[in-house]
Amino acid sequence: GAVVSQHPSWVICKSGTSVKIECRSLDFQATTMFWYRQFPKQSLMLMATSNEGSKATYEQGVEKDKFLINHASLTLSTLTVTSAHPEDSSFYICSARDLGKSSYEQYFGPGTRLTVT
Amino acid sequence: AQSVTQLGSHVSVSEGALVLLRCNYSSSVPPYLFWYVQYPNQGLQLLLKYTSAATLVKGINGFEAEFKKSETSFHLTKPSAHMSDAAEYFCAVSESDDKIIFGKGTRLHILP
Repeated sequence: GAVVSQHPSWVICKSGTSVKIECRSLDFQATTMFWYRQFPKQSLMLMATSNEGSKATYEQGVEKDKFLINHASLTLSTLTVTSAHPEDSSFYICSARDLGKSSYEQYFGPGTRLTVT
Repeated sequence: AQSVTQLGSHVSVSEGALVLLRCNYSSSVPPYLFWYVQYPNQGLQLLLKYTSAATLVKGINGFEAEFKKSETSFHLTKPSAHMSDAAEYFCAVSESDDKIIFGKGTRLHILP
């Protein structure tokens, strides 16, 4: 149980285009999902907290107009990288908190590798 | 503010030897502490977690960690390393706001 999927697993796009990444909780409901970014050989940096039915909360330094987050249902959150540039190339990982369990438990997706050319 | 410091960005041990990955945390309240493992191009897998119950926490794959409040430490150990243990390991801390803050990671190399 407690499986989180991401789609796509990898994507290559041209500079200036937008890319949407999906994060789904497959066997539980998640009122809260988190989006992380990981540069090569570095740690995960929290980008934003996504709450179902409300606006996402962005961490300091993260451009909310560039990284659009939508959490329209209890099992799906999306991250859209708008007008992507090569510096946006990174590994994006989402996690989800199980509504039916303790607040600290988060389950991580397998990640999405974004390459902007 | 909560933070995590992992000592040593790279650790090498021989196969069969003891694995010790160090983690120190800073938190204003009793924290939740985690160790995650990440294999190349994959997401994170939870090894174990501390949630204010037993101070010695046993996880998957033979790993365990001990919470020491006096030392603000949560070091990860495994008695005997396997080649399959080679990966990146992240220590993480969480307080009541649900955010998980990660350390910078330690890459574990296993020498044959």
